[in-house]
Amino acid sequence: AQSVTQPDIHITVSEGASLELRCNYSYGATPYLFWYVQSPGQGLQLLLKYFSGDTLVQGIKGFEAEFKRSQSSFNLRKPSVHWSDAAEYFCAVGPPTGGGNKLTFGTGTQLKVEL
Amino acid sequence: DVKVTQSSRYLVKRTGEKVFLECVQDMDHENMFWYRQDPGLGLRLIYFSYDVKMKEKGDIPEGYSVSREKKERFSLILESASTNQTSMYLCASSLSAAGGGHGAYFGPGTRLTVL
Repeated sequence: AQSVTQPDIHITVSEGASLELRCNYSYGATPYLFWYVQSPGQGLQLLLKYFSGDTLVQGIKGFEAEFKRSQSSFNLRKPSVHWSDAAEYFCAVGPPTGGGNKLTFGTGTQLKVEL
Repeated sequence: DVKVTQSSRYLVKRTGEKVFLECVQDMDHENMFWYRQDPGLGLRLIYFSYDVKMKEKGDIPEGYSVSREKKERFSLILESASTNQTSMYLCASSLSAAGGGHGAYFGPGTRLTVL
C-alpha cells in the first residue's frame, strides 16, 4: 500500500533563512506528487505538483520541490522564508493511472518562523 | 478559480445526533472527497465519489455514510454522532483525468465537536 512519510513534525526557522521540508513516499510506481499548505483555520492550498519531466518544479509563493526517484523523495524548499510562511505543510501522492485521483497524505510538518 | 464550499465552519452536536455536512463545488469536477484531519494523523480519507450516485469507501468509513445526488454536491452523514468523531472535516474535489495528476481543491473545513 502507498504511504507518505514526513519525518519532521515541527520545524522552526528564522525569517530570511532557507527551508527544506522532507517527504518520502512508498509506492509501486512513480506516483504523482504534491505539496499543500494549510494556514491556521483554513483548508489546504496546492503549492506545487510533479507529474513527469524536469525533476525540479516551481510552485506558488516562491516554493520549489525536487523529485529524486532513487531516494523516493520529494522535498520542498524555499531560499528565504517569510513570517507569513508559518503554516502546516502536507506532502501527498496520487495514483499514476486511474484511482479517481485519490490522494494519500503525510502527517504534516508544522513550520514556525522566528522573527 | 475552483471554489469548494462547506456548509458550516464550526458545528457542535450532541452524542447520538444525526449530523449532515454539506459540500458544494462549482467547477463541474467528477470526483469529490471527504477527509478527516486530526493532529498527528494528517488527512485520512473517509469516502469518495467519482460520479453522481457513485461512492467508494476510503480508509476510515466506519460510522459515516455519504450521498451524492447531484454532481456539485457531496454530503457526509454521521448517523449517530460519537465523541470520537470530533474532528476537522475537509471536503475536496478534482477532475477525473487519468493519472490523478490534477491534485485536489479543498474547502475551508468544518470543525465538528461532539459533546
